[in-house]
Amino acid sequence: DAKTTQPPSMDCAEGRAANLPCNHSTISGNEYVYWYRQIHSQGPQYIIHGLKNNETNEMASLIITEDRKSSTLILPHATLRDTAVYYCIVKASGGSYIPTFGRGTSLIVHP
Amino acid sequence: GAGVSQSPSNKVTEKGKDVELRCDPISGHTALYWYRQRLGQGLEFLIYFQGNSAPDKSGLPSDRFSAERTGESVSTLTIQRTQQEDSAVYLCASSFQGTGLGGYTFGSGTRLTVV
Repeated sequence: DAKTTQPPSMDCAEGRAANLPCNHSTISGNEYVYWYRQIHSQGPQYIIHGLKNNETNEMASLIITEDRKSSTLILPHATLRDTAVYYCIVKASGGSYIPTFGRGTSLIVHP
Repeated sequence: GAGVSQSPSNKVTEKGKDVELRCDPISGHTALYWYRQRLGQGLEFLIYFQGNSAPDKSGLPSDRFSAERTGESVSTLTIQRTQQEDSAVYLCASSFQGTGLGGYTFGSGTRLTVV
């Protein structure tokens, strides 16, 4: 499975958009990009996933580049409660898979 | 249940004692994972169960660690002769393999403190 690279930390002002990048340059054609986040003292929480089209849900938007080598998670109006560690992982469709969560990006939303 | 349930939520134990951590996955989820997360660190894979297949134990750090799962239901992670370096949050996740789009649902974890 493809590995991912994320910046270790970012910060964002409350109410502004938070754009979290992820590089997955070795991604395969059948691998999806998943984003999770972990708020302090809780287990990771699913946010969004996509294959090649941009996706949007009530939590966030996911922008995947045309070559699929990178993606950006967008929190359109960050709040203090969005302060968390954000993980980007890639996963093939079906089959056995052990998700690997690296250090992720620690996002701090400040007032 | 509606989510992955882990118990206890907190456990303080004396060095050298054995502990058992429990995970109730989402009903119907065939895959179950255990992870360990030390303070300020990422998630460290421990063990993976998929249906009735032999578990993947490649992440277990020592023979003091073991886990069991009965069918596609409850799993227990046992740590024998606990050491201070075992102090961490132990997270359980489950997923439904084969859907292609199924995500992983995590429990809230068990915070283990070895004193």
